[in-house]
Amino acid sequence: DVKVTQSSRYLVKRTGEKVFLECVQDMDHENMFWYRQDPGLGLRLIYFSYDVKMKEKGDIPEGYSVSREKKERFSLILESASTNQTSMYLCASRPVWANVLTFGAGSRLTVL
Amino acid sequence: AQSVTQPDIHITVSEGASLELRCNYSYGATPYLFWYVQSPGQGLQLLLKYFSGDTLVQGIKGFEAEFKRSQSSFNLRKPSVHWSDAAEYFCAVVTNRDDKIIFGKGTRLHILP
Repeated sequence: DVKVTQSSRYLVKRTGEKVFLECVQDMDHENMFWYRQDPGLGLRLIYFSYDVKMKEKGDIPEGYSVSREKKERFSLILESASTNQTSMYLCASRPVWANVLTFGAGSRLTVL
Repeated sequence: AQSVTQPDIHITVSEGASLELRCNYSYGATPYLFWYVQSPGQGLQLLLKYFSGDTLVQGIKGFEAEFKRSQSSFNLRKPSVHWSDAAEYFCAVVTNRDDKIIFGKGTRLHILP
């Protein structure tokens, strides 16, 4: 079964810490995405990547950066975590020829 | 700008009753349309999609959706809900212009026994 794996399901961090959220897909998909999900706001796109070493800002990139050194791995980085970044983070991927996303199970981050 | 509206934040139905979740989109041309479901603590799973052709599409778990161009709608339906259908449902649209996927804010479905 194809998979998008988010290694950390639950994280608790302190304000100012650097946070890495990892996402790995085993489907050889070119496109990868990071979304943030908050109650009443739905999914908001943070960053996406069309290929290795390529990245594009989404709708809410402020306070985040990303890294894609290998095709299968897309990392979301919070350089200095803040309490307003407490949220559920969802990674997704898709092949370049299709519009259907495959999602990971999510990483719930709490920043104290 | 393109947008997706799910007018109902919460919906409660009794087990065995029929269900309709509403979705309206704003886009000039015919978009690609999707419904995803998110069970508690999980990621999103694709229920069904519409790209072209027959406007009534069948999905997994007994769900269907109908594309109505005149109403800019893509409502999700199920004739008889089960307790396991309790989840959050997201409508999404892809616009050809830049292939960005835009999600609605979701509708949380509650099932009464």
